[in-house]
Amino acid sequence: NAGVMQNPRHLVRRRGQEARLRCSPVKGHSHVYWYRQLPEEGLKFMVYLQKENIIDESGMPKERFSAEFPKEGPSILRIQQVVRGDSAAYFCASSPAWTGDRATEAFFGQGTRLTVV
Amino acid sequence: KNQVEQSPQSLIILEGKNCTLQCNYTVSPFSNLRWYKQDTGRGPVSLTIMTFSENTKSNGRYTATLDADTKQSSLHITASQLSDSASYICVVSAMGGGADGLTFGKGTHLIIQP
Repeated sequence: NAGVMQNPRHLVRRRGQEARLRCSPVKGHSHVYWYRQLPEEGLKFMVYLQKENIIDESGMPKERFSAEFPKEGPSILRIQQVVRGDSAAYFCASSPAWTGDRATEAFFGQGTRLTVV
Repeated sequence: KNQVEQSPQSLIILEGKNCTLQCNYTVSPFSNLRWYKQDTGRGPVSLTIMTFSENTKSNGRYTATLDADTKQSSLHITASQLSDSASYICVVSAMGGGADGLTFGKGTHLIIQP
């Protein structure tokens, strides 16, 4: 039973390039969440998706960032024209139902560490 | 504003000793409280989830308590091991806690020394 798989684990991009982060949720989970973590900081919510739908993207910058969760395949977090401030660890989590409901468990991936040089 | 405050920020103890980590929250309306362990360079892993009606829950050497009246939780680690070195994150779930329903604390960074 595979958990949440994120790849790549480490990604280095030059300023101005695009970064694509992939997340395969636990099999059968239709709810995916993306978080950003800076050193010594807590996890910050970015976006919540269900299959083919963005439910809430209030934590995601309006420019350069986008996310999708297609019917088939992994969820993708895309950062265009990266800047040094985008350097962080990006975590994906999945759950079988909304995590705000009762005691629905959320499973986290190992994260992708993005470094912009 | 929903908030989760954890203390201490960091803690160093000797292997074999016990320790207690604290979490205070102002999230409302409360649904449940979770403790996660995050090893350096890894994703968070769930230790316990407690709903309103539960005031204690154990997972091996980890015991979490919840006082919903004072809005406080603690995570007690017994007979610490080197592998317990990690960040411990308190997360409170509620309506209005963000689109994911979760409000994250910044974590307590625990170091176990041999």
